[in-house]
Amino acid sequence: KAGVTQTPRYLIKTRGQQVTLSCSPISGHRSVSWYQQTPGQGLQFLFEYFSETQRNKGNFPGRFSGRQFSNSRSEMNVSTLELGDSALYLCASSSTTGNTIYFGEGSWLTVV
Amino acid sequence: GIQVEQSPPDLILQEGANSTLRCNFSDSVNNLQWFHQNPWGQLINLFYIPSGTKQNGRLSATTVATERYSLLYISSSQTTDSGVYFCAVEGNTNAGKSTFGDGTTLTVKP
Repeated sequence: KAGVTQTPRYLIKTRGQQVTLSCSPISGHRSVSWYQQTPGQGLQFLFEYFSETQRNKGNFPGRFSGRQFSNSRSEMNVSTLELGDSALYLCASSSTTGNTIYFGEGSWLTVV
Repeated sequence: GIQVEQSPPDLILQEGANSTLRCNFSDSVNNLQWFHQNPWGQLINLFYIPSGTKQNGRLSATTVATERYSLLYISSSQTTDSGVYFCAVEGNTNAGKSTFGDGTTLTVKP
């Protein structure tokens, strides 16, 4: 069974640009959540989707958005990139609430 | 929201030693997991343990939900155990949102 797949793995963007990251969950998993990891702030929750509906959202500005498709794949978008958005973005999937969550390898974003 | 505290923040051991990592949380939880983050950033599942005790080889974990803490035990540590260990909890009132502690950085010296 394939794990959680995130693309791209590494990317460099310029301030002001936008970026889209993709996450394919484990087959059969309907919940996808996104996290940002930085050295200063640790692992912070961005948002969670279940069956195409955003159920929960963290404390991030509106520049951070996401969506989930009918096949459970999810994308997150960051518009008007800032230097502080440089981080490891991690996606996780689970079959339902309260069950084990599994993480992908992450997308390393550098904003210059 | 729910608060998660991990201790100690840093731990240095000689190979072969045992260690205990602690995770305290401030409210009732649906889910508690322990992860090991590898040098490439991926979070590897160690235990899904909202309550009770589990063992997997040299690692074991115990969660006492009524007292709001969990412990991760590493026995006969190896250099490959080095890395950051995270505890993550999902509160009863926040479906799908896991709150992470700041992690314990473990260094095992040969």
